[in-house]
This record gives sequence, structure tokens and C-alpha cells, in this order.
Amino acid sequence: AQSVAQPEDQVNVAEGNPLTVKCTYSVSGNPYLFWYVQYPNRGLQFLLKYITGDNLVKGSYGFEAEFNKSQTSFHLKKPSALVSDSALYFCAVRDRSASKIIFGSGTRLSIRP
Amino acid sequence: GAGVSQTPSNKVTEKGKYVELRCDPISGHTALYWYRQSLGQGPEFLIYFQGTGAADDSGLPNDRFFAVRPEGSVSTLKIQRTERGDSAVYLCASRSGTSFTGELFFGEGSRLTVL
Repeated sequence: AQSVAQPEDQVNVAEGNPLTVKCTYSVSGNPYLFWYVQYPNRGLQFLLKYITGDNLVKGSYGFEAEFNKSQTSFHLKKPSALVSDSALYFCAVRDRSASKIIFGSGTRLSIRP
Repeated sequence: GAGVSQTPSNKVTEKGKYVELRCDPISGHTALYWYRQSLGQGPEFLIYFQGTGAADDSGLPNDRFFAVRPEGSVSTLKIQRTERGDSAVYLCASRSGTSFTGELFFGEGSRLTVL
């Protein structure tokens, strides 16, 4: 069975500092991994994905994520946080043998000015 | 429209009533997903359509829940004999093609409240 864990309910960072939102996963084969963001009263929006190839993937709004197969992690990062990055972030995974995409419980990112 | 459209945006009903939630995906998107999101939780998978057929309905919690997509476009999620525990935001997402590598495009959801 596939699963995904986001161990932090909330991450607080000062504007201008680097940020990391953690995600670990469990699948039976090679994963497809995704990050989505949810702003208040808005639908989920795609940020980035890892399918194959380079372990470091870059996405929207300056975000990037690193796929680490040995640690089964896909942490979301940004070198310099903006107040406008404050939102709810979801990691998602799909086992290549399955059709459904499973989401984590979400991490609320709060960037203080 | 340009995005995934879900109606109604809000639905308040009484316990035991029947409810239909509609999803209009992005034109041409063959894959369609339904998720349920309870407060403070991540989206919970319900069902996945590829075209007209339900390719994976393993997330439907019980036989009170049913979804259709008769023409491979609009989908309707149907909930019979609603219970208070069904209260949640129901999300619909669509994706182009049959490859699972593409991203999902989500609607803004239908908030269901069962009194």
C-alpha cells in the first residue's frame, strides 16, 4: 500500500530565510511525487513533480524539491521565503502500479515579516 | 471555462437526504478524480475515472456513495442517506491524457454540511 507522511503540522519561518517542508513516502515500486499548495478559499494548485531523472526538481514560485530514494523523502524547499508563500502545502505520491494519488495531511507554512 | 468547475459551492442538507455534487472538468481532460477533504486533513481519494468508466473506486467509503461520468466529461458524485460524518469539502480534479505523470487541476470544491 502507498502512503505519504508530512510530519510537521506547521512550519514558521521569517521572511528572507530558507524554508523546508518535509515529506516522506512509502510505495512498493518507484514513485511519482508531487507538491501542491492551497491558498485560503482557493483550490489546490500544482507546484512541482518528480517523475524520473534529476533528483532536484524546480517548480513554480521559486520552489524546489529533492527526491531522496534512500530516505524515501521528497522535501520542499525555497532559498528565501516570502510572506506570500504562507499557505497549506500538500505532498502527494502515486505508486506506478496504482492509479490513485495519495495526499499527505498537509503542512501549514507561515512566513512572518 | 478555463478551469475545473464544481457546483454547488456550498450545500447544506439534513441527515438522511440525498445529495448530488457536480464536476465539470477542463475540456478535453479524460482523467477525473474525486477527493474528500475534512477540516485539518489532506484530500482523501474517493474515485478515479478514465473516460466514462470508473477505473478505481476503492476510496468510496460505503455503498451510499456513487459517482458517474456518462459521457466522459461532467461527473456527478451522489450521496444517499447522508450522515453528519459526510460533512466535508468534496474536491474534483482533472488531468489530460492517460499518463499518470501529469499534474491534477483542482476545482474549488463543494462544501457539504449535513445537519
